[in-house]
Order: sequence, then structure tokens, then C-alpha cells
Amino acid sequence: QQQVKQSPQSLIVQKGGISIINCAYENTAFDYFPWYQQFPGKGPALLIAIRPDVSEKKEGRFTISFNKSAKQFSLHIMDSQPGDSATYFCAASTGGGNKLTFGTGTQLKVEL
Amino acid sequence: NAGVMQNPRHLVRRRGQEARLRCSPMKGHSHVYWYRQLPEEGLKFMVYLQKENIIDESGMPKERFSAEFPKEGPSILRIQQVVRGDSAAYFCASSPPSSYREQFFGPGTRLTVL
Repeated sequence: QQQVKQSPQSLIVQKGGISIINCAYENTAFDYFPWYQQFPGKGPALLIAIRPDVSEKKEGRFTISFNKSAKQFSLHIMDSQPGDSATYFCAASTGGGNKLTFGTGTQLKVEL
Repeated sequence: NAGVMQNPRHLVRRRGQEARLRCSPMKGHSHVYWYRQLPEEGLKFMVYLQKENIIDESGMPKERFSAEFPKEGPSILRIQQVVRGDSAAYFCASSPPSSYREQFFGPGTRLTVL
């Protein structure tokens, strides 16, 4: 059973635009929600993470928005750049264990 | 501070052979996780270990797969009698005891079974 649903599967954004990736979860025990960026042939790199006690967290051009009642969270990339072209994964974990449950990924392409 | 190290980066095995994947966590990190990524899919949790202990192996296939994290040396993921369906990228992650929710991933080992 897939517990974290991610959309869209792929996304094309113009340089300078805003990239938005959405995730929805089912398990209400999840209490930690990180986002990872992965380039081809590389391992995932932790971008930013949020806990459910806040509705938004911003780090540079990356912002996580969190809606606890809807069980949804999203990643916004402001002023998207070609160097942001990568696959992005949302994930979630519970306090009782450390394993991350990942979404299926979004391939982002930022065009000039 | 060196990141998580994995070797080999690429591994080719024939069906029926054994595959051994190694992971050295970041310095000071005592938690190690293994994940598998099939082509065009997200990462799937396999096992979570601390030194000399398996904490959670709920994602490990029941047969042929085993993992260890000895007191000294790297963590090892061992796959016996590999089959073509084992072809995937295997990633190791580690986290520090002070912030165990943050997992830092290595570059992965890409296993190809012929």
C-alpha cells in the first residue's frame, strides 16, 4: 500500500518560474516530512524538512507548505533555475521508527 | 567531513552469485539504513541498523537478503543467489544520534544481474 502519493510525475517550468510539487499521505502517525533532490547517478540529497507543528518552512528558494488537516504538503521552488533540474522526492516518517516512506518522485526540468 | 561512502559503485553479477554491498556512514553517525530504488521508482526502505543490532528489517525480503553493521568496519548488505529482479540501485543512509531523523544518503551501488 502506497502511503505517500506524489504529483506530478514530471514537470517543466520556465527559468525564473515557480515549481510546485505536491504530496499527500495517509498515515496520521507521520510526523516528519523531508524533501530530497536527486541528480542522475547520484544519491538523494536532503533539501528541507518540516514537522507538523508548523504550516510553512522556508530555506532560500525552497519552501515547504504543510496542511495537517488535509494530510498534504508541498514543495515550492521559487525563481527556478536550470540547475534545479532533477528528480524530487517527498518522504515521511513516524516518531516510532526511522524508516522513510518515499513518494514516487517528480522529474523537474527547468527550461531557459 | 566525508559523506556516506558506498562501494562498489557498480557491481555486475550473474544469476546465482552473491553480491556484497558496503557502506561506511558519516563520521559520528551510528544509525545506518539501506534502501532500494528500482528503475523509475522511488526508494523503498529495507533495513535499519545500529552498531551490532538490527533495529527494523521490515522491508527486507524474507530470503536471500541479510544485513549487518559490525562493531568495527562498514555495514554490509548481502544478497545471496542473485536473480534478475535484484537489479537496482541500493542506497545507504546514515544519521547522527543527535538528529536521528535526518538521513544523509551515499551515492549508491548499482547492481546489475546478468
